Amino acid sequence: NAGVTQTPKFQVLKTGQSMTLQCAQDMNHEYMSWYRQDPGMGLRLIHYSVGAGITDQGEVPNGYNVSRSTTEDFPLRLLSAAPSQTSVYFCASSPWGKRGDTQYFGPGTRLTVL
Amino acid sequence: ILNVEQSPQSLHVQEGDSTNFTCSFPSSNFYALHWYRWETAKSPEALFVMTLNGDEKKKGRISATLNTKEGYSYLYIKGSQPEDSATYLCAYFSGSARQLTFGSGTQLTVLP
Repeated sequence: NAGVTQTPKFQVLKTGQSMTLQCAQDMNHEYMSWYRQDPGMGLRLIHYSVGAGITDQGEVPNGYNVSRSTTEDFPLRLLSAAPSQTSVYFCASSPWGKRGDTQYFGPGTRLTVL
Repeated sequence: ILNVEQSPQSLHVQEGDSTNFTCSFPSSNFYALHWYRWETAKSPEALFVMTLNGDEKKKGRISATLNTKEGYSYLYIKGSQPEDSATYLCAYFSGSARQLTFGSGTQLTVLP
């Protein structure tokens, strides 16, 4: 099992550009989520999904879109990048979020917006 | 937004010392409390998931306790080693929100 994979590992964007951060898991997990990590602020939830076709907003959803067309994939789209979106992004999955199962994290994507 | 607080923010201890950190969280609508270990340049890795009041979990030299009625959890490390240096995150899972809310972490440095 590869676990949770994320691409790219690093990305530099200019303000206003759009891009998609990819996340995939091969553990047949129902629950997937995206977090951003900023200094002194821990991990903040952007969006999450409890299964294919179902997504919901987390704490900081503005400027991001997600979709979940398959169980395996959960891409995060930045519609029009802003310097405030400079951060490290982590994707995570867990068997089922109903009881708060252990989350398995991907390696992260470091994004810089100039 | 749920408030999950961790203290201290950072801690330096000598090799061999025992140490502990605190996580406080809302006591209402509790479902689970997670602890993760996060080394620099890596991803967070789960240590414990605790669900019942009075739960105690142990993994090697690391253990954790849970008090859901007063809304706190302690993480203990016995005989700290340099390889224990990491940020320790706790996260509260609310049944109504179906999402994890993380604290900002305790950064532990163990000096040889």
